Amino acid sequence: DTAVSQTPKYLVTQMGNDKSIKCEQNLGHDTMYWYKQDSKKFLKIMFSYNNKELIINETVPNRFSPKSPDKAHLNLHINSLELGDSAVYFCASSRGGASNQPQHFGDGTRLSIL
Amino acid sequence: AQTVTQSQPEMSVQEAETVTLSCTYDTSENNYYLFWYKQPPSRQMILVIRQEAYKQQNATENRFSVNFQKAAKSFSLKISDSQLGDTAMYFCAFPGAGGGADGLTFGKGTHLIIQP
Repeated sequence: DTAVSQTPKYLVTQMGNDKSIKCEQNLGHDTMYWYKQDSKKFLKIMFSYNNKELIINETVPNRFSPKSPDKAHLNLHINSLELGDSAVYFCASSRGGASNQPQHFGDGTRLSIL
Repeated sequence: AQTVTQSQPEMSVQEAETVTLSCTYDTSENNYYLFWYKQPPSRQMILVIRQEAYKQQNATENRFSVNFQKAAKSFSLKISDSQLGDTAMYFCAFPGAGGGADGLTFGKGTHLIIQP
């Protein structure tokens, strides 16, 4: 059973297009996250949601819009894709917002902008 | 702001050797947790070990252990009897100032290569 699943695993698209990445977790967690991993493998938090409410938005361009229809889902929609958006995007979840809870990650979505 | 520093971009050791990956961090918090994550070539992010700052005893998980020095803000990972499957990127991570809900702050990672 996959705990945190993201779709698609790979996404290749043209500059200027709009795309979405879906994330679902079946762990019963109430906090979910999006991270971006750049070409140098650096991981940076983008958004976190707790019980469907936005907690943080780390200076991410407003072309990125997360949406949480329920606690188990956190989708990421990206408008007007740019070359610099090429990266691996990870979804993660954890139990509550406590700092002692480890985060469980999806397998990542590699986004390539042509 | 919290910062996490991993000063070794890449390390290479022979199979069965012991290797230590370093991590230092900066925080004004008193009670917190620290994590090591592993990212093999498959791209998965796998929790290796976590340490509670108020516990003096260093955490261990089978061949993985930490050397936690709270005063020095140092959190190194020791891998004993290294195996080929340990080849991966290793990231030290620290919860944000608002606790876990702020997400994790990661170091830049250490690429560990285990040679046969």
